Amino acid sequence: GNSVTQMEGPVTLSEEAFLTINCTYTATGYPSLFWYVQYPGEGLQLLLKATKADDKGSNKGFEATYRKETTSFHLEKGSVQVSDSAVYFCALSKGSASKIIFGSGTRLSIRP
Amino acid sequence: DVKVTQSSRYLVKRTGEKVFLECVQDMDHENMFWYRQDPGLGLRLIYFSYDVKMKEKGDIPEGYSVSREKKERFSLILESASTNQTSMYLCASSLSQGAGGNQPQHFGDGTRLSIL
Repeated sequence: GNSVTQMEGPVTLSEEAFLTINCTYTATGYPSLFWYVQYPGEGLQLLLKATKADDKGSNKGFEATYRKETTSFHLEKGSVQVSDSAVYFCALSKGSASKIIFGSGTRLSIRP
Repeated sequence: DVKVTQSSRYLVKRTGEKVFLECVQDMDHENMFWYRQDPGLGLRLIYFSYDVKMKEKGDIPEGYSVSREKKERFSLILESASTNQTSMYLCASSLSQGAGGNQPQHFGDGTRLSIL
């Protein structure tokens, strides 16, 4: 069946460090891929998305490229800020009713 | 911007009570979803609905029911609340797949429910 695996946290970095959060997926065909972010005490917000192979989603300095050959959608940011501290979820959507399968989430903490 | 509004941010109820969690979206989305979020377990889908009066079970429907009488409103019902239903509940909505591929879901801020 369809599934998403992302790196376990917590991940702790210093401000201005480079960030990578790994995400791989298992699915037949061509799912859409998403990254969501959850700030403390809030619901999930869509951060970026990609709908086909080699698409790059980007938003707020974050990027992720849909790599079909490696079934991956790794999240990257060149220089993180304290305000990026949150939980990040990788997700895929395939099939009817736009059901989404979420990874387990990666907690990111940024030190000033 | 899509707005998904959950009626309560925090709710405290007692074991055995019937509990209603309400969710309203303002973007005419066809699909609506209820999840619960627990530490170490991520998000788990309870129920979803792809049209008015239509509902389908998700991964963990036991102990819950839902109601969708109007397109903009999706209610989650705990028929007889139990302590193991203490959790964060998240509502989401999305356009149908016919709108162009797999659509992202838009989430409310969540309801933190405690059952005593």
